[in-house]
This record gives sequence, structure tokens and C-alpha cells, in this order.
Amino acid sequence: DTGVSQDPRHKITKRGQNVTFRCDPISEHNRLYWYRQTLGQGPEFLTYFQNEAQLEKSRLLSDRFSAERPKGSFSTLEIQRTEQGDSAMYLCASSLTSGRAGGELFFGEGSRLTVL
Amino acid sequence: GNSVTQMEGPVTLSEEAFLTINCTYTATGYPSLFWYVQYPGEGLQLLLKATKADDKGSNKGFEATYRKETTSFHLEKGSVQVSDSAVYFCALSTGNQFYFGTGTSLTVIP
Repeated sequence: DTGVSQDPRHKITKRGQNVTFRCDPISEHNRLYWYRQTLGQGPEFLTYFQNEAQLEKSRLLSDRFSAERPKGSFSTLEIQRTEQGDSAMYLCASSLTSGRAGGELFFGEGSRLTVL
Repeated sequence: GNSVTQMEGPVTLSEEAFLTINCTYTATGYPSLFWYVQYPGEGLQLLLKATKADDKGSNKGFEATYRKETTSFHLEKGSVQVSDSAVYFCALSTGNQFYFGTGTSLTVIP
């Protein structure tokens, strides 16, 4: 396994269209995170899964955003009715849970979304 | 709440200069602390980490010490190279979530 992979790497869409991103984590990792990153900012937490359960979702995340991890392996992030403000890099990361804070995140290269 | 504040950039240094990027944090409990690096066109990757007070993380000549008394985790390197040009992110983890700083862009000129 070569790491976390994301698809597509780039997506250009028109305002109002729906888009879906896929993330394949490192195979033995049970946690999967989605972040959003805009220019000049650090990654902003969106949501995370432990296995197939979505354990936390950012309060900043509008109802247009939904994420799934149906079999506890790959995950999808869908944005409905895209707006120009959704333009960003969407990052996926995975990790192994540990007894306490210490497990590192492994990031994919991101999916860049441009909404026209 | 949990948050990370890091030194704003951009930072420009000459090759072989000494580097310090400041990072302070606010956290409940006992977080782990990390430095991630993002090279141009690549994803974020872990540079180093420390999981408890007074631990020193080190990698590729970079070091950072977990200072509970000053709630800091400053990144240092004694002699930077052109290949160190990247964006550096300080982060903390409480076990479930990770909180990132805004990043510091470093450019090293020959």
C-alpha cells in the first residue's frame, strides 16, 4: 500500500452542480478524516470516521456536505449545490487509533475544487 | 478550547542560516504535538512529533521540544537548505481531533 489516495485530484464545476470526492485510506487504518484547506490557511476539520461510523462533524459544515464510509474502507465526500465559497482543497487523512493522543495522520495529496 | 497559534510568514532565509518557527498551543488535557510539512505540489507529511511534556521530536535536522510550562513547540533547524523550502504546520491532537495552525511558508535562497 502506497498511502492515502484521493480522486479526482482536480475538479472544476459550475455553481449549483453536485460533486463527489473519493478517498482510499491506508488499508489497516481505522480512522479517516476529511479536512478543507484554503490558500494561506491550515487544514480545517470537516468530519471523521472510525471504521464505518461517522463520529464527529464540524458545526461549520453545512447540510450540503455529506460524507460516507460504508464498509469502513474508502470514503466519499459529496457537496450538493456547490457555491463559489466551496472552492478549496479537500484533504483526506487516515490514522490508527491509539490509547491516547499520539497517532499521526497520513494525508493524501488532496482534491482541488474550483467552483465557477 | 483547543487551538494552535504559529508564527506568521513568509520567512526567507539564506542557505545555512538558523531557523526558528514559533508555535504555541491551547489545549485541554494532555495533547500530542506535531509539525507537518507541505512541499510544493505535495500533500502534508509528518515532520516530527512529541507525545508528552519535555519530549523532543527530531527528524531531518529539525527539532522541537514539548514545553508544557510555556505551552510551546517551536521548530528549529541549525542550518537550512534550499530543499527545506516548504510550508510548515504546527498541530496538536487530543486523541480524536487534530488542530492545525495556519502554516508558515519558508523560502531558503542559495
